[in-house]
Amino acid sequence: GQQLNQSPQSMFIQEGEDVSMNCTSSSIFNTWLWYKQEPGEGPVLLIALYKAGELTSNGRLTAQFGITRKDSFLNISASIPSDVGIYFCAGPVSPDKLIFGTGTRLQVFP
Amino acid sequence: EAQVTQNPRYLITVTGKKLTVTCSQNMNHEYMSWYRQDPGLGLRQIYYSMNVEVTDKGDVPEGYKVSRKEKRNFPLILESPSPNQTSLYFCASSLTQVTYEQYFGPGTRLTVT
Repeated sequence: GQQLNQSPQSMFIQEGEDVSMNCTSSSIFNTWLWYKQEPGEGPVLLIALYKAGELTSNGRLTAQFGITRKDSFLNISASIPSDVGIYFCAGPVSPDKLIFGTGTRLQVFP
Repeated sequence: EAQVTQNPRYLITVTGKKLTVTCSQNMNHEYMSWYRQDPGLGLRQIYYSMNVEVTDKGDVPEGYKVSRKEKRNFPLILESPSPNQTSLYFCASSLTQVTYEQYFGPGTRLTVT
C-alpha cells in the first residue's frame, strides 16, 4: 500500500537550534497535514496545506507543500523544550481515508 | 470545550475477555475513525465511519468491531482480545469525510496478557 516516509526518524537538538524534517510519498497528494503528538496525548493538528508550493506558518513552525506534490517539509525555528514530541505528516489516499507517516521524534536539550 | 473523549485511558485485560473502548465527540462531526499506534509503525486505521450507521474497514480491521448508532459515539469492540492487540488506540473525528483535519482523543493504552 501507499506509504509516507518521514526523515529523520529522530532528532536530538539543543534549545535555540532550527529543525527541519520532511515527508515523502511515491504518489501525488492534494493535501498535506502536519500533526504533533506530545507524550501521553493524542496528535494535534499543526498545519494543513492544500496547494502545491504553498508555504504556511503557525508561530515558529513553517510547512511547505512540495512542488512535485510528492513531498512536504516542516521547519521549526529557535526550538524550545516544549517542542519535544513526535511529528507526523499525513495525507489523504482517498476522500475518506488519511494515511500517516511513521513520525519524527524530536528531543530538545536545554 | 470542543473535544474527543475516550474511556478508559488505560486498560489491562486477559486474552479472550470482551471489552469496549468508548469514544465520544461534541463537535457534531460526521466522520469518526479508530487508529492504533505501535512503535515504528505510526498510526494505522482500524475502522472508520462517515455517518450514522455507515462504517467501513481501515487497514487493520481484524479482531475489531465498531458501531455508529449515534452521531457523537463510535465505540471500538474487541470480542476476543489477543496479546497482539496490545497497543495505543486513538479515536478521531472530522467535520466530514473530505475535511481531512482530524481531531484526536487522548488515547487508550490497552495491554492484553
